[in-house]
Amino acid sequence: GQQLNQSPQSMFIQEGEDVSMNCTSSSIFNTWLWYKQDPGEGPVLLIALYKAGELTSNGRLTAQFGITRKDSFLNISASIPSDVGIYFCAGQLRNAGNMLTFGGGTRLMVKP
Amino acid sequence: DGGITQSPKYLFRKEGQNVTLSCEQNLNHDAMYWYRQDPGQGLRLIYYSQIVNDFQKGDIAEGYSVSREKKESFPLTVTSAQKNPTAFYLCASSIGPRGTDTQYFGPGTRLTVL
Repeated sequence: GQQLNQSPQSMFIQEGEDVSMNCTSSSIFNTWLWYKQDPGEGPVLLIALYKAGELTSNGRLTAQFGITRKDSFLNISASIPSDVGIYFCAGQLRNAGNMLTFGGGTRLMVKP
Repeated sequence: DGGITQSPKYLFRKEGQNVTLSCEQNLNHDAMYWYRQDPGQGLRLIYYSQIVNDFQKGDIAEGYSVSREKKESFPLTVTSAQKNPTAFYLCASSIGPRGTDTQYFGPGTRLTVL
């Protein structure tokens, strides 16, 4: 199937710093989704992007749907300890049965 | 309150035994999905169902089986044919093709085969 390249694989940052992570694909998607997963829990949806070029915010989180429809980024501003977790991007293609293709995840660690 | 429930949270089984993982949703979603997650990995699709009494294989269906007799329920059976069943299993649901179809996840079941 399609592959999403998510980077970085992990980040260890100081509390208060900004964070940026991204996903790239060799194919286009109609929708980009960003999820956060805490240890031992299911992923929780953070932001959904439905249009190329769309820039959406959710509190300290901002995500963009790339113009080429092959990439997306997620920024977290002023990180706090509870931001710790694994962040996954997922691309969705409507004519492929709406299935999601997931990136490998970015593990974020925040030092107080 | 509405949501997706998975039970049990932790499951231990002996090698060679079949085991069934439960997934229930009260969101009135048409579509349901099963994913497998291995340590440090992303999610891989096992099976999905877009409507009652219909389901399709995902990327890694071998050694698994499902049923969709009710809209609310999509149980997954891990059979003895699955060569490496120890993993974290996640169920998800979505409105279905008629909507934006964003998937929402349950809390997961960690299966350990001894």
